[in-house]
Amino acid sequence: EPEVTQTPSHQVTQMGQEVILRCVPISNHLYFYWYRQILGQKVEFLVSFYNNEISEKSEIFDDQFSVERPDGSNFTLKIRSTKLEDSAMYFCASTNGGQNSPLHFGNGTRLTVT
Amino acid sequence: QKEVEQDPGPLSVPEGAIVSLNCTYSNSAFQYFMWYRQYSRKGPELLMYTYSSGNKEDGRFTAQVDKSSKYISLFIRDSQPSDSATYLCAMTFSGGYNKLIFGAGTRLAVHP
Repeated sequence: EPEVTQTPSHQVTQMGQEVILRCVPISNHLYFYWYRQILGQKVEFLVSFYNNEISEKSEIFDDQFSVERPDGSNFTLKIRSTKLEDSAMYFCASTNGGQNSPLHFGNGTRLTVT
Repeated sequence: QKEVEQDPGPLSVPEGAIVSLNCTYSNSAFQYFMWYRQYSRKGPELLMYTYSSGNKEDGRFTAQVDKSSKYISLFIRDSQPSDSATYLCAMTFSGGYNKLIFGAGTRLAVHP
């Protein structure tokens, strides 16, 4: 069964550094998402992306965050200047957007900011 | 009032028990309801996907949606130790591409 793949599985970075989290969504999917889960907390929506532009973003997704689909297969989340509170699991998800097409998630990237 | 409420547990049951997991929600505009299973340090894995009210069965799993009560349930029959995980309810508005709103997750432990 096709799946969403994310790399790296774990990223450690120092506060103030830039990080790029990478995702390969399922190939025929059209809608792409990033969600975040801080340890012990709910999975939270960050941003959705469709037709090469952001379709919705949450309050968390401030100017430090950006997303890009640089080619036909990758979808990236960039955090420009990481803060300690950015430490979390980041999940990429995708769907083809049909009425009976739920979100499929990757296994996440664990970001640790020191 | 939180948009989606889910008892975090933990819930501990013996192998073979019937498990009942529940969520309540406040926004009557939700139309699609999902249950995801999440193992430790893994991504949410879709278990059940339901549109509007009614029941849906898949093997040992049954999902129920009662929109009049704003209440959804997941039943697991003949529970196995491999069912030990966190179960997340999630819901969204019309259109499968809308953002999901998650519950906090219920941690389930099935012991042999």
